[in-house]
Amino acid sequence: GESVGLHLPTLSVQEGDNSIINCAYSNSASDYFIWYKQESGKGPQFIIDIRSNMDKRQGQRVTVLLNKTVKHLSLQIAATQPGDSAVYFCAEKGKEFTGGGNKLTFGTGTQLKVEL
Amino acid sequence: DAMVIQNPRYQVTQFGKPVTLSCSQTLNHNVMYWYQQKSSQAPKLLFHYYDKDFNNEADTPDNFQSRRPNTSFCFLDIRSPGLGDAAMYLCATSRVGSPTEAFFGQGTRLTVV
Repeated sequence: GESVGLHLPTLSVQEGDNSIINCAYSNSASDYFIWYKQESGKGPQFIIDIRSNMDKRQGQRVTVLLNKTVKHLSLQIAATQPGDSAVYFCAEKGKEFTGGGNKLTFGTGTQLKVEL
Repeated sequence: DAMVIQNPRYQVTQFGKPVTLSCSQTLNHNVMYWYQQKSSQAPKLLFHYYDKDFNNEADTPDNFQSRRPNTSFCFLDIRSPGLGDAAMYLCATSRVGSPTEAFFGQGTRLTVV
């Protein structure tokens, strides 16, 4: 079955350092992988996605890397700031629903703590 | 500015007493979702609507129902809440043609006593 899992439940970094959050996936058929950020008391917020035919995609201060050989996804955050403190979920785009929309299967999440 | 609004933010209900959670959106998106998120876990999809077409996930208990009277509003009904239903309930929307970006509300934290 489909599963998306994370290596570390908690990651602590110093402000200004780079953060790397990792994720393993098992469904090779997924055509998109996505990162969401969830701040305390809020719903998840889309950060960045990557299509399965790519191995790297950059956004503002974030980079997602996809290694299909080992089924590994990572999110790199440059110059981590206190506002980056949150739980980060990787997710994979699953089946497309009839009419529209897609199922997102989320991994278990990594808590990122930024130390001042 | 909030685009997906959930009410209430916190809901306490008694064991077995029906409860309704509400969600509204200003994005005019066709697709609306309800997710359940238990403490320290990932969100889990319960069901979704494409317009008025309702689609249940295979493992969603019958205790959970939903209504979507119009594009803007969607409700989650829990007919007989059990202690195991205590969770954060997240409403989300997405636009057809945007396969990866879902817009989530802030969630309703449900406590069952």
